[in-house]
This record gives sequence, C-alpha cells and structure tokens, in this order.
Amino acid sequence: DSGVTQTPKHLITATGQRVTLRCSPRSGDLSVYWYQQSLDQGLQFLIQYYNGEERAKGNILERFSAQQFPDLHSELNLSSLELGDSALYFCASSAEQGRSGNTIYFGEGSWLTVV
Amino acid sequence: AQSVTQPDIHITVSEGASLELRCNYSYGATPYLFWYVQSPGQGLQLLLKYFSGDTLVQGIKGFEAEFKRSQSSFNLRKPSVHWSDAAEYFCAVGSGNTPLVFGKGTRLSVIA
Repeated sequence: DSGVTQTPKHLITATGQRVTLRCSPRSGDLSVYWYQQSLDQGLQFLIQYYNGEERAKGNILERFSAQQFPDLHSELNLSSLELGDSALYFCASSAEQGRSGNTIYFGEGSWLTVV
Repeated sequence: AQSVTQPDIHITVSEGASLELRCNYSYGATPYLFWYVQSPGQGLQLLLKYFSGDTLVQGIKGFEAEFKRSQSSFNLRKPSVHWSDAAEYFCAVGSGNTPLVFGKGTRLSVIA
C-alpha cells in the first residue's frame, strides 16, 4: 500500500459526459501528480500541483482540469468525454518541493471506460 | 528533452533463469532513476531508485540495477526469476521533485 488513495477504482460513462477523479496523497506529501496510462500512449504526465498551486503541466487536454485543495487532496475533472479518453488515470504524490531525491508514490489508479 | 527508452517490449524467461531489462535515458541534468513494476490491474510499485553514490542499487523482491553514466543506462537485473515476477516494468527518469518521464515499459512473462 503506497498510501496514495484514488477513487473511484472503476468508472463507466458515456461520451460527452463529465467525471471527477479524486486523489488523497500520502500523509505529509505536498505534491500531487496526475498521469494517464493508455495502451497506445503509455504513461503520460498530465499535471502537477504543489501545496495547492499548479507547478507543472504536461500533455493535458483543455477538456481536462485539476485542482488541489487546502487539505491537499486533488481532483481531476474530465469533460466532454470521448472514446479515446478511456484509460487508467494515476495519481501520485511526493514530499515537499526543494528536497532532492524525492520518491514519487503512485496510487492504484482509476479505470475510466467511455462508451 | 528528457526521454527514456526501453528497447524490449516483451521478454519471456524461464522460472529460475536470470533477467536483465534494459533502460536508456536522455536527461540534461543529473538524473534520478527509478524502476517501477505494475502487476495486471494494479498500480505502480517502486522497485528501486538511484539518486547518487554507489552505482549498483538494491531494491525490493531481489532486484538490483546498475547506473552506467557513460552508457546512459540503468538496467534492471534479477539473478533468479520467480513466476510472481511476471508483470510490466517501467523505467523512469526525473530530478527528484519534478514529474517523472517514463519509458514505454517491458512486459515480462515467466514460463515454467
């Protein structure tokens, strides 16, 4: 158990809909990362938050957004869903910024199927 | 730009045989290197990491990896593979508190 909690574990929804994925980082971790894993693209970094602020942005679509709340949990919002958004979405967390050698710990992921 | 190459998409080994999974990276600064394992339907579990110091690092489940700066490689090894090692293995590079860049992964199958 990495200590990173993601909900829901599985989600099936229709095209055009909107879903929210939730992540609770490990106790004490201030950084949260979102990754998308699909068969054709592999593991793609989407976005990073540190202590409530966006810190880095990767290959995140404009239809997707995220935020990190004061209690440090994070949510990834996916809207106007398309079939190609079906993937495993991982949340990960690491300790405070500025420390070198941080390890990034991953949750078990949220399986999203768009039908 | 940072990148990680795992040349082998799929490897099959016999139980009890030795294993080496290859990883080559491209990174502008001092790299921090990681190996993660993903069992079917599971998340990513950290096997081992290299930050500095001894270039041979030991991880969990009997795995080790060697950092070779001259070859930009960080290959994962295990002397004797068990059937439970069948999984997908990912090499990743980062700077320690920035997003990791992952390779495409190597799927390991273990046969009796």
